Amino acid sequence: ETGVTQSPTHLIKTRGQQVTLRCSSQSGHNTVSWYQQALGQGPQFIFQYYREEENGRGNFPPRFSGLQFPNYSSELNVNALELDDSALYLCASSLYNSPLHFGNGTRLTVT
Amino acid sequence: GIQVEQSPPDLILQEGANSTLRCNFSDSVNNLQWFHQNPWGQLINLFYIPSGTKQNGRLSATTVATERYSLLYISSSQTTDSGVYFCAVPSTNQAGTALIFGKGTTLSVSS
Repeated sequence: ETGVTQSPTHLIKTRGQQVTLRCSSQSGHNTVSWYQQALGQGPQFIFQYYREEENGRGNFPPRFSGLQFPNYSSELNVNALELDDSALYLCASSLYNSPLHFGNGTRLTVT
Repeated sequence: GIQVEQSPPDLILQEGANSTLRCNFSDSVNNLQWFHQNPWGQLINLFYIPSGTKQNGRLSATTVATERYSLLYISSSQTTDSGVYFCAVPSTNQAGTALIFGKGTTLSVSS
């Protein structure tokens, strides 16, 4: 059974740029969630995708957007990067309303 | 929305010691998860425990849903137990399976 994989592992971007993070779901899972974890904090929910539709969104601005593909993999896109976007971005997959399984995360640094 | 509080924020132990981590939540929940975040950032599922007690090796967890708290017990701690422990509960104002995380307990086990 393949777990949740995220790419890239690390990324450095400049303020104002755009970034795309990628996530492959664990085999058999149809739901993908994205979380942002700032240093020293717990993860915060960005949004969730189920059957290729956004199915819940946290308190994040529209410049955070996502996609889920027919194979249940997902992308997180962030436009107009700000310094405060520097964080660990975690992807989790699951069956709907079941325990989440997280990937190793992508550490984004915005300079 | 629901609030999650964890205590203590930091815990320092000698190898072999036992510890109890607490998670309080402000509203009724239908599930609760405990996670261990290792030094590389990966969130590892420990327990999915909406109520009752579960054990897995040296770790056990108890959730008393009627009193809105959960406890994570670590016995005979090892250096590999070091890291941050999070509890998370479903959001009460989000669709899907958005989780609300506490701020975590940082555990340091020395040999």
